Amino acid sequence: EPEVTQTPSHQVTQMGQEVILRCVPISNHLYFYWYRQILGQKVEFLVSFYNNEISEKSEIFDDQFSVERPDGSNFTLKIRSTKLEDSAMYFCASTIGTGASTDTQYFGPGTRLTVL
Amino acid sequence: AQSVSQHNHHVILSEAASLELGCNYSYGGTVNLFWYVQYPGQHLQLLLKYFSGDPLVKGIKGFEAEFIKSKFSFNLRKPSVQWSDTAEYFCAVNSDNNAGNMLTFGGGTRLMVKP
Repeated sequence: EPEVTQTPSHQVTQMGQEVILRCVPISNHLYFYWYRQILGQKVEFLVSFYNNEISEKSEIFDDQFSVERPDGSNFTLKIRSTKLEDSAMYFCASTIGTGASTDTQYFGPGTRLTVL
Repeated sequence: AQSVSQHNHHVILSEAASLELGCNYSYGGTVNLFWYVQYPGQHLQLLLKYFSGDPLVKGIKGFEAEFIKSKFSFNLRKPSVQWSDTAEYFCAVNSDNNAGNMLTFGGGTRLMVKP
């Protein structure tokens, strides 16, 4: 069964450094998402992406964050200048792309980001 | 704004016990409801979802959930749990009014099933 994959599984970085988290969505999917979960807190929506542009973003997704589909397979989340509070598990998800809210979102295994 | 509450943070059961995990949401409009499971070391997987029709929804691995609109609830049930059901369970909601179909998650319930 096709799966969403994410790399790396764990990223450690120094505060102020840029990080890029990578995701490979399921190949025929068209909608892509990033969520994050700070330790002990809820999974929170960051951004959704369709047709090479952001569909929706949360208040968390400020100017330090950006997303990109650099090629036909990857979907990336960049944090320009990391802060301690960016430490979290970051999940990528994708849906098949009918645009319906009932579409199942398929999640990747997550990247644990630790900012020191 | 939508919100989802899962009141049980940790549940410990013995094998063959029955399971019910609570999920309540707050939103005034039409919602779609989801239960996801995360087994240790694995990614979030969909157990079941409800968006219309029969409010009793059956999912994978013997799980079911009932949507009770008047109570804003979508509780997950399983008549007889197994050790392999040890996992974290997340309730989530979205609606047709969300641009981008963002999911709002509850805080999760960690289930431990003792053999």
